[in-house]
Amino acid sequence: DAGITQSPRHKVTETGTPVTLRCHQTENHRYMYWYRQDPGHGLRLIHYSYGVKDTDKGEVSDGYSVSRSKTEDFLLTLESATSSQTSVYFCAISVGAGETQYFGPGTRLLVL
Amino acid sequence: GESVGLHLPTLSVQEGDNSIINCAYSNSASDYFIWYKQESGKGPQFIIDIRSNMDKRQGQRVTVLLNKTVKHLSLQIAATQPGDSAVYFCAESNYGGSQGNLIFGKGTKLSVKP
Repeated sequence: DAGITQSPRHKVTETGTPVTLRCHQTENHRYMYWYRQDPGHGLRLIHYSYGVKDTDKGEVSDGYSVSRSKTEDFLLTLESATSSQTSVYFCAISVGAGETQYFGPGTRLLVL
Repeated sequence: GESVGLHLPTLSVQEGDNSIINCAYSNSASDYFIWYKQESGKGPQFIIDIRSNMDKRQGQRVTVLLNKTVKHLSLQIAATQPGDSAVYFCAESNYGGSQGNLIFGKGTKLSVKP
C-alpha cells in the first residue's frame, strides 16, 4: 500500500445520498483506477484515468463518476448511492497502460 | 460483511509443503501476466510477474510458470508458511491492446495448516 492512500477507509451511508471516495498517490504514476470487489465477481473496473482530466469508463461504470484534477488525486463519486453499490472499493495506480497495478488499502462502503 | 474469499476454490496445504496455484487465462494475445496476493481486509499485493517471451521466472520462494500453448499460468510457493494464507489471483494484460487494462481472475484461497 506504500504511496497510495484511500479515504475514508469505512463509510456507512443511506440510499440516495451522494458519496465521494478519494484516492491519493505519491508515486507520480500516470494511470489511476477504481475497482469494486464483491464475492463471486472478483475485481471489476469502474473507471480509470490516463492523465489529468483524462478518464474513461470501465466494465461497471453505471452510477459512478470520476474526476482527476491533479496527478496525485482520483475521486470516485456515487451521485445517489444504492444498496447494490455496497462493496469494497480499491484504487490502483500504474506507470503505464497494461503495466503492473499497485493497489491501495481499500474503502469498505455500506449503503443502507 | 461477507469475505471475498467465501466463493472461491480453496487449496489447503500443510506448513512446509510446496503449494501450486493454477490460473487459466482467456486471451491468447495477452503478453504480460501478474500474480497478486490478497490477505483478508487488505488490498491486492504484487508478488511476481512474467512476460510472454519467458516460460519461467523465479522470485523469493515463488516461481511462476507460463504455458502459452494451453494458456495456463501457475504460481509455485516453496515451503509454504502460515503467513502465505491468502487469496491469490492472476492478471493478464495485452500490452499492445487498445486499453491495456488488466483482466483479473477470480482467485484461489490458500489455507496453510500449522
